[in-house]
Amino acid sequence: GQNIDQPTEMTATEGAIVQINCTYQTSGFNGLFWYQQHAGEAPTFLSYNVLDGLEEKGRFSSFLSRSKGYSYLLLKELQMKDSASYLCAVLFNTNAGKSTFGDGTTLTVKP
Amino acid sequence: GAVVSQHPSRVICKSGTSVKIECRSLDFQATTMFWYRQFPKKSLMLMATSNEGSKATYEQGVEKDKFLINHASLTLSTLTVTSAHPEDSSFYICSAQQHGEQFFGPGTRLTVL
Repeated sequence: GQNIDQPTEMTATEGAIVQINCTYQTSGFNGLFWYQQHAGEAPTFLSYNVLDGLEEKGRFSSFLSRSKGYSYLLLKELQMKDSASYLCAVLFNTNAGKSTFGDGTTLTVKP
Repeated sequence: GAVVSQHPSRVICKSGTSVKIECRSLDFQATTMFWYRQFPKKSLMLMATSNEGSKATYEQGVEKDKFLINHASLTLSTLTVTSAHPEDSSFYICSAQQHGEQFFGPGTRLTVL
């Protein structure tokens, strides 16, 4: 299948750094998205990786290794408002342009 | 970035009634829109792909006659939940695709009594 795996829950301290991992099946890979979703709201776009390497956007960075089928989202200088669910979504060229979503990682930031 | 709206944001209805949810791309044209359903603490479950000017493509296990999708224009797709029942209560989210990226609407919370 096209399983997208990410941890279910993570907890971190305000001001710290946290890394959320995502692994996926490499066959047919076309790109990987990270979204942030607060409870009761729709997802918001964070990043899109299609080539290997690290993409940095302020406090958030996303890394991709296509050969390993692995990505991570790195959140620095954590703030309480970063408590949310983080969704990894992969575009496969076998899926007619549809993204396949992981179950999401619920991040809780504590003071 | 591109903006997608959904209406209504919240709806409560009686069992047996039908509910229509609208999804609009406000500043771009979208030939493809997606409809998702999300249960509490779960990820997005794709229900169907809405294609402008043609029939929607439904995912396995999603009843076509239950969830009617109409994509009448390049900026509007509608999802109608017909004869709604309490088990249809959920968070419904649409997205519109532009250049491979999905832009999500704010979601519609449906509660069926």
